[in-house]
Amino acid sequence: NAGVTQTPKFRILKIGQSMTLQCTQDMNHNYMYWYRQDPGMGLKLIYYSVGAGITDKGEVPNGYNVSRSTTEDFPLRLELAAPSQTSVYFCASSLPNPGQGADTQYFGPGTRLTVL
Amino acid sequence: DQQVKQNSPSLSVQEGRISILNCDYTNSMFDYFLWYKKYPAEGPTFLISISSIKDKNEDGRFTVFLNKSAKHLSLHIVPSQPGDSAVYFCAARAIQGAQKLVFGQGTRLTINP
Repeated sequence: NAGVTQTPKFRILKIGQSMTLQCTQDMNHNYMYWYRQDPGMGLKLIYYSVGAGITDKGEVPNGYNVSRSTTEDFPLRLELAAPSQTSVYFCASSLPNPGQGADTQYFGPGTRLTVL
Repeated sequence: DQQVKQNSPSLSVQEGRISILNCDYTNSMFDYFLWYKKYPAEGPTFLISISSIKDKNEDGRFTVFLNKSAKHLSLHIVPSQPGDSAVYFCAARAIQGAQKLVFGQGTRLTINP
């Protein structure tokens, strides 16, 4: 299993450009997430999905869009890139765990995005 | 509003000694707590977790302690090894928040030989 893969690893965008960050998992996980990590800060949830066709906003969704047409893929779209979106983006996935135990989230290696 | 706080940005420990990483939280609805470890240029990896119904969980060299009344948890690493040098994130899950996690800012642990 490759786990969670993300592409690209690095990207530089100009202000106003758009791009899609790709995320794929091969563990048949229902839940998928997008986080951003700014320097010296923890991970903040952008969007998440509990299954194909279902997405919901996290803590910092403004400026981003997502879709979930398959169980495996969860792309993150930036429509009009702004310098404030310079960050490292992590995709994660997990199985739902309805009991006392929380799910373990498996993270991809991240995409480092710079907007100039 | 920082619901999960790690007040020490960095910690330096001698190899073989104990490393203690701390985490405080404000939301009494959190029911599960996790520690993740992150190496440079990699994603975070799960390390250890604890349910709010317990006060201690051990896994090899790693032990997590939870003090609910103080809203405080800590991660103990004994003995510390050079490979433990990484950034450690504390995370918490709220009962009403499905599988959503709230992360602290992270603590960079350096183990000196």
